[in-house]
Amino acid sequence: SQTIHQWPATLVQPVGSPLSLECTVEGTSNPNLYWYRQAAGRGLQLLFYSVGIGQISSEVPQNLSASRPQDRQFILSSKKLLLSDSGFYLCARAESSTDTQYFGPGTRLTVL
Amino acid sequence: RKEVEQDPGPFNVPEGATVAFNCTYSNSASQSFFWYRQDCRKEPKLLMSVYSSGNEDGRFTAQLNRASQYISLLIRDSKLSDSATYLCVVNLPSGGYNKLIFGAGTRLAVHP
Repeated sequence: SQTIHQWPATLVQPVGSPLSLECTVEGTSNPNLYWYRQAAGRGLQLLFYSVGIGQISSEVPQNLSASRPQDRQFILSSKKLLLSDSGFYLCARAESSTDTQYFGPGTRLTVL
Repeated sequence: RKEVEQDPGPFNVPEGATVAFNCTYSNSASQSFFWYRQDCRKEPKLLMSVYSSGNEDGRFTAQLNRASQYISLLIRDSKLSDSATYLCVVNLPSGGYNKLIFGAGTRLAVHP
């Protein structure tokens, strides 16, 4: 079966601190991977997507970045967090040939 | 106009009721449509894809009207466990990959 892991599950960080969120996928090869953010009471906003190792596309300009160092690993980073970065961060995968997306359990980030 | 619009609700219904959610989308190039379910503080989970001819999965029926750019979800015989937020999702072909646009969701509360 295909599984998505996200780490950590929850995180509280001060403004201006760095960030690194990790997403790993099991049971599939060469998936399309996505990072979304969901602010409180809002819809999902696509941040980044990746179709392969080292291939990252950004949807929204911001102080976040993403990297895909391995086929099944997707990392979301920031050098300096802002208050507005608080939210629920979700990693999703899709098979290359279809567009149905499946989500990991998410990381809930609070920036104080 | 938002790319995907949903009535935010909440819809408060008694157990056993039938409830319908509607969704409109703005881009006529969209080709794939989905309903996801999201429980409080959890990740979205795929409920069902929506096909042109309409489709049914147990108590859930999804309909698509391409001419009106309208999608619906009907839930029959509501259960307490159906309480959740239902997300209408539409794909948007974008530069070789499928970008999913999520509605903000419709909240359903089923009471005894």
